[in-house]
Amino acid sequence: DQQVKQNSPSLSVQEGRISILNCDYTNSMFDYFLWYKKYPAEGPTFLISISSIKDKNEDGRFTVFLNKSAKHLSLHIVPSQPGDSAVYFCAAKSGSARQLTFGSGTQLTVLP
Amino acid sequence: DAGVIQSPRHEVTEMGQEVTLRCKPISGHDYLFWYRQTMMRGLELLIYFNNNVPIDDSGMPEDRFSAKMPNASFSTLKIQPSEPRDSAVYFCASSSDYYGYTFGSGTRLTVV
Repeated sequence: DQQVKQNSPSLSVQEGRISILNCDYTNSMFDYFLWYKKYPAEGPTFLISISSIKDKNEDGRFTVFLNKSAKHLSLHIVPSQPGDSAVYFCAAKSGSARQLTFGSGTQLTVLP
Repeated sequence: DAGVIQSPRHEVTEMGQEVTLRCKPISGHDYLFWYRQTMMRGLELLIYFNNNVPIDDSGMPEDRFSAKMPNASFSTLKIQPSEPRDSAVYFCASSSDYYGYTFGSGTRLTVV
C-alpha cells in the first residue's frame, strides 16, 4: 500500500518549457512534503519542500504547489534546462515523525 | 564535511553469500536511515536509528536482513543469506532536524 504515489514513471520536456511533476498521497496525517532530485550513481538531494499550512512555495525556477483537499502536490520547473534531467522523488512526513515516505520517482528528461 | 559515506559502491555476490553494507553518517546527526531503491517500489524505508538505537525496523523484508549501529559514526546492513531478489541500490541517510535527510551515494548490490 503506497501512501505516496508518482504515477508517471517518465516525462520528457523541451528545454525552456515548463516541467510539471505530480505526486498524490493517501495519508491525511502527512503535513510536510519534500521533493528530492537524483542523478545517476548519486544519492537523492533535497530540492524544495512545503508545509501543509501553505499552498505554494517557490525557490528560483522551482515551485511546489499543494492541494490538500485533493491530496495532491506538484513540482513546476520553469524554464527547464538539460541539467534538470534526473529522477525526482516526492516525499512526505507527518507531525514529529522523522521518517520520510517516498514515492517511486519520475524520470525527467529535458531535451536540448 | 564529507557527507554520508557508504561502502562499497558496488557489490556483486553469489546467492547464499553474506553481504555487509556500511555507512558513516554526518557527524552530529542523531538519526540514521537505511532505504532500498527498486524500480517497482521506489525508495523503501528499511530501518532507522535514533542515537544509535533502532526505532523502527518494520520495513526490513525478512529475518535475512539485520542492521546495527554500534556507535554514532558507523552502521551496517547485513543480508544473510543473500538472494537475487535482494538486488537493488541501498541508501543510507542521516538527519539532524525534522526537515529532511542527507543521503549517501548508495551501494548497488547485485546477487547472482
